[in-house]
Amino acid sequence: QVQLVESGGGLVKPGGSLRLSCAASGFTFSDYYMSWIRQAPGKGLEWVSYISSSGSTIYYADSVKGRFTISRDNAKNSLYLQMNSLRAEDTAVYYCARNRFFGAPRSDYFDYWGQGTLVTVSS
Amino acid sequence: EIVLTQSPATLSLSPGERATLSCRASQSVSSYLAWYQQKPGQAPRLLIYDASNRATGIPARFSGSGSGTDFTLTISSLEPEDFAVYYCQQRSNWPPAFGPGTKVDIK
Repeated sequence: QVQLVESGGGLVKPGGSLRLSCAASGFTFSDYYMSWIRQAPGKGLEWVSYISSSGSTIYYADSVKGRFTISRDNAKNSLYLQMNSLRAEDTAVYYCARNRFFGAPRSDYFDYWGQGTLVTVSS
Repeated sequence: EIVLTQSPATLSLSPGERATLSCRASQSVSSYLAWYQQKPGQAPRLLIYDASNRATGIPARFSGSGSGTDFTLTISSLEPEDFAVYYCQQRSNWPPAFGPGTKVDIK
């Protein structure tokens, strides 16, 4: 069955860095686009970043552009999020999610999610 | 950037009752809209995609409708496990965006 397991979260000071990982299993990882989505404590969902199956196409939310870098290693079935210059407002549970296309190019939704990893930015 | 609003913020109902949740987009998203369910301490789960298609394994009591700017998620008869927060999400324009959520709690 499809499994996504995030790791790498923790407590970091403002301005610090953290690298999140997501280990995928139960499907052909290299066939799927992947995303990071976050949820601040008690708040709603915010899409963060997206990477195509080959890694050639990448998008970021404006709130993280220039600070976060998404990448993947298809040989290791892994997705990553390098987070630099962290701010208090980056505090959230970070989920990795699989993008699934249901036909049309814009018919692309998050069909499997990991359990999330908590990132806390505080001095 | 498309903004999604959801109403009501909280819906208090009893098991067996019908739940009707609304999602409105600031501009047309055609039918590129999904619904997710999130229970406390859990990741969201995809329920509906392309406004009206149930995802794999989703019970028939969940249905979605709408197009353009107005969408509805209906739960025909609430089961105890359906009390949760529901989010809509658009994929028509970049970036993908979520609504603020509707909490369905037990009356």
